[in-house]
Amino acid sequence: AQSVTQPDIHITVSEGASLELRCNYSYGATPYLFWYVQSPGQGLQLLLKYFSGDTLVQGIKGFEAEFKRSQSSFNLRKPSVHWSDAAEYFCAVGADGNKLVFGAGTILRVKS
Amino acid sequence: GAGVSQTPSNKVTEKGKYVELRCDPISGHTALYWYRQSLGQGPEFLIYFQGTGAADDSGLPNDRFFAVRPEGSVSTLKIQRTERGDSAVYLCASSLTGGVDTQYFGPGTRLTVL
Repeated sequence: AQSVTQPDIHITVSEGASLELRCNYSYGATPYLFWYVQSPGQGLQLLLKYFSGDTLVQGIKGFEAEFKRSQSSFNLRKPSVHWSDAAEYFCAVGADGNKLVFGAGTILRVKS
Repeated sequence: GAGVSQTPSNKVTEKGKYVELRCDPISGHTALYWYRQSLGQGPEFLIYFQGTGAADDSGLPNDRFFAVRPEGSVSTLKIQRTERGDSAVYLCASSLTGGVDTQYFGPGTRLTVL
């Protein structure tokens, strides 16, 4: 069965520092991978997605993610974090052509 | 245009009662999904509609849960004989045609069963 692991429940970074959020997936075929962000009281917003092609994917708000098949990973990165990036981040894999299987999420705190 | 909307935003009910949660997808989107997000967890898939029909209901936890989409637009998630364990945020998403299309999420309905 498909699954997604986000090893870090909480991460705290200083404003202006770089960020990497980890995501590992388990899926038998070529995965469709997504990162979503959820702010308090807001719906899930898509940051970026990987279907095929270039393994380095650019998204909104300055985020990028790299697909590494050999490591079954799809880590999210940002070179310089802003206070407004504080939120919960979810990695997901597209399963059975339709539904999304999500990880448990990583809560990002930004120190000023 | 408007995004996915869900009503009510909050619902408090008593154990054993019946509840209905409504989802208005983005206009023109044929695919609609329901997910449930319990505290401290990621969303879990419940059911997927393509048009009016439920194409995949493998995530519904038991027969107390049922969903409809009679005209291929608005959907209602129905929960009978609610239990305290049903307390969660229920999320609705829609996509243009399904498959690998981007799913756009609504703000969710927070259900609390006392």
